[in-house]
Amino acid sequence: AQTVTQSQPEMSVQEAETVTLSCTYDTSESNYYLFWYKQPPSRQMILVIRQEAYKQQNATENRFSVNFQKAAKSFSLKISDSQLGDTAMYFCAFMSYQGAQKLVFGQGTRLTINP
Amino acid sequence: DAGVIQSPRHEVTEMGQEVTLRCKPISGHDYLFWYRQTMMRGLELLIYFNNNVPIDDSGMPEDRFSAKMPNASFSTLKIQPSEPRDSAVYFCASSLSLRIMRDTGELFFGEGSRLTVL
Repeated sequence: AQTVTQSQPEMSVQEAETVTLSCTYDTSESNYYLFWYKQPPSRQMILVIRQEAYKQQNATENRFSVNFQKAAKSFSLKISDSQLGDTAMYFCAFMSYQGAQKLVFGQGTRLTINP
Repeated sequence: DAGVIQSPRHEVTEMGQEVTLRCKPISGHDYLFWYRQTMMRGLELLIYFNNNVPIDDSGMPEDRFSAKMPNASFSTLKIQPSEPRDSAVYFCASSLSLRIMRDTGELFFGEGSRLTVL
């Protein structure tokens, strides 16, 4: 079974700084999908960014980018020019291309952006 | 569309009592997921349905938990009898299709039901 591990339970940075959240996963598959979701205090889950494993190019969405290292099974999220609104719980998630068709989430990292 | 609707938002009950959590997915979505979120274990998938049929219930912790989807617009997650270790936030989520979920990451979550078992 696939597992997703986020080793940083909490992180805190100053506004405008850059922060990187770590995620590693375990799978024997070669094709799969990886996601970062944001969960603000409202508890609604919001998709931040998505990466397909067969694409070598790292995904970017405005201030959010990933560092996808397939061989190392690592998928970190970088937030540039962090804003107060980025304060939230961030979840890394994995989905198989075949087989078990479900999103497997990591434990989450609570990120606080300080003014 | 109003999004995924869950009820109740908060529930406090005593050990041994039956708890029923409810979910109304987004109209037209074929997939419904129940997740549980705790500090210790993060977000765990309990069970998911496709067209009202349970597909994977391997995440259901034990026989005290059961989930049903009698029709396309309603699902319940029941805990009987409840225990303090069941205290968590329970999320329901729905998706139009697995392909869309893969291609876009779209998985619409409800606001969750926070359960406290004393």
